[in-house]
Amino acid sequence: EVQLVQSGAVVKKPGESLTISCKTSGYSFSNYWIGWVRQRPGKGLEWMVILYPYDSDTRYSPSFQGQVTISADQSISTAFLHWTSLKASDTAVYYCARPSVGGFDFVYWGQGTLVTVSS
Amino acid sequence: DIVLTQSPATLSVSPGESATVSCRASQSISINLAWYQQKPGQAPRLLISSASTRATGVPARFSGSGSGTEFTLTISSLQSQDLAIYHCHQYDAWPHTFGQGTKLDLK
Repeated sequence: EVQLVQSGAVVKKPGESLTISCKTSGYSFSNYWIGWVRQRPGKGLEWMVILYPYDSDTRYSPSFQGQVTISADQSISTAFLHWTSLKASDTAVYYCARPSVGGFDFVYWGQGTLVTVSS
Repeated sequence: DIVLTQSPATLSVSPGESATVSCRASQSISINLAWYQQKPGQAPRLLISSASTRATGVPARFSGSGSGTEFTLTISSLQSQDLAIYHCHQYDAWPHTFGQGTKLDLK
């Protein structure tokens, strides 16, 4: 069974750094793209970034390029999303998601990580 | 970026009725479009991929159609558990993008 289990909710102050994680199981991590999607409170879904762990091919939305960094550790089948300096506008639920075989529609989703940035 | 415009923003329906949600792309995306259902406090769930292929376990009352720039999600014989927000997602060109969502609520 494919599972994506994300790290827990966090509260941070503006300017702080943060890394959230998405631990996967039930499939060959290296051979499937994995992406991150943002959902601000009461808003729609925003496609952020996607990475192919096997060769680290990465595609960012211009809206998020330079704002976050995606990475993956194949040895623990886990993807990460990192901020160096959080802003209040980063407050949102962040989902990791895995596409289908050979496609980019997100079949499997993590449970979401709520990130709250407040002074 | 390809912009996906969903309409309407909110759709009020009664159980047993049909509901139709539209998604228009700012340029042709072939059939590289997915639909998701999202209930409060939950992650999205894939309903439809490749514009019209139902995902595993999705009831037949959900159907998708369209190609190019115009797409439709139809829910027939609406049930109370179908009340949710529906999102379209294009994966034809980088960056991939989502529509702004359509909320289905009770009339």
